[in-house]
Amino acid sequence: SQQGEEDPQALSIQEGENATMNCSYKTSINNLQWYRQNSGRGLVHLILIRSNEREKHSGRLRVTLDTSKKSSSLLITASRAADTASYFCATDAKGNEKLTFGTGTRLTIIP
Amino acid sequence: SAVISQKPSRDICQRGTSLTIQCQVDSQVTMMFWYRQQPGQSLTLIATANQGSEATYESGFVIDKFPISRPNLTFSTLTVSNMSPEDSSIYLCSVDVNGISNEQFFGPGTRLTVL
Repeated sequence: SQQGEEDPQALSIQEGENATMNCSYKTSINNLQWYRQNSGRGLVHLILIRSNEREKHSGRLRVTLDTSKKSSSLLITASRAADTASYFCATDAKGNEKLTFGTGTRLTIIP
Repeated sequence: SAVISQKPSRDICQRGTSLTIQCQVDSQVTMMFWYRQQPGQSLTLIATANQGSEATYESGFVIDKFPISRPNLTFSTLTVSNMSPEDSSIYLCSVDVNGISNEQFFGPGTRLTVL
């Protein structure tokens, strides 16, 4: 399987703390994306990082990419109850439009 | 971006029946994708649907079980045929709007339960 893996599988933190999730993948990629899914509904695109980028920011989100280690991390700062959701990384390879999703991290923010 | 709707949002079906799921996009898109998400699992791509051509299925998925239509650039359907309880999943469609970065926008999903 080409599916990536995420860790931890589940994470519970207090509101206001930072949350870090990690994603590892197996093949060379073109882009890596992070998505959020609330309660088994549709996915919301959060951020995309290209293979030639190492770090990207969007609001309270910070994504890093290490292509030598085939890994990425998503940091959510100053977490809020509304951040409670499942988070998935997804990769695509050069010349291939298909996305391969990671196993996901279920994040719970405790008020 | 794109706004995507799916019908039905959920359904409970009997074993052996078929269900057709509709996906409507508010803009014309070349590529549409259908995913399955089994309970507590990640997303698995079923097939890629391009307008004017046969859908391309991923390993483990076949046209007889999951026939797909793509009659125009804003609409697609996925049929889950001869259902069994193992087909109970969330089915999601997505689109690649700009075709450059492969950023995909997802519909809200169809939660299917097969009894």
